[in-house]
Amino acid sequence: SQTIHQWPATLVQPVGSPLSLECTVEGTSNPNLYWYRQAAGRGLQLLFYSVGIGQISSEVPQNLSASRPQDRQFILSSKKLLLSDSGFYLCAWDSGNTIYFGEGSWLTVV
Amino acid sequence: GNSVTQMEGPVTLSEEAFLTINCTYTATGYPSLFWYVQYPGEGLQLLLKATKADDKGSNKGFEATYRKETTSFHLEKGSVQVSDSAVYFCALSQGVGGFKTIFGAGTRLFVKA
Repeated sequence: SQTIHQWPATLVQPVGSPLSLECTVEGTSNPNLYWYRQAAGRGLQLLFYSVGIGQISSEVPQNLSASRPQDRQFILSSKKLLLSDSGFYLCAWDSGNTIYFGEGSWLTVV
Repeated sequence: GNSVTQMEGPVTLSEEAFLTINCTYTATGYPSLFWYVQYPGEGLQLLLKATKADDKGSNKGFEATYRKETTSFHLEKGSVQVSDSAVYFCALSQGVGGFKTIFGAGTRLFVKA
């Protein structure tokens, strides 16, 4: 069966520091991959999606970037974090038109 | 464009009460409809889904019926438990892949013992 993992689960970073969140999917090949953000008490915002290695689509222009160096690996990055980057970040993949989420990563920028 | 509207929360119920969380949608054609649940501090889990009109999705005692005539997909449970306390998201998707999935704002449910 397919599984999705992301890490770290929690991190506290100072303003201006870099960020790297990693996500891997197992049990499937060439999945569509997604990064969502959920601000405190709010709904989901699609940040990036990828249909294959090196192929990234950005849904919202911002301080973040994404990369897909391997088929089942998806990375969310920032060179300099802002306070407004705080939130809950969710990696996801799809099967047909059904999206499945990872456990999430809590980011607090201080 | 497509949209999903779900009832605002929070919803507070006593244990064993009947639950309804309303969800209506706007879409052309025939989208697939979903309910996701998010327990505190966790990611979203797929709770149930329906892919065509009159389909009923069900899981863990929860049910939702795809009503094309009223463009609705209301979530119901006959007897809630404290462990059902969570945020519930209604969503729709059209086409191949999840790129066009649209999520509602979420409804927080509190169940009191």
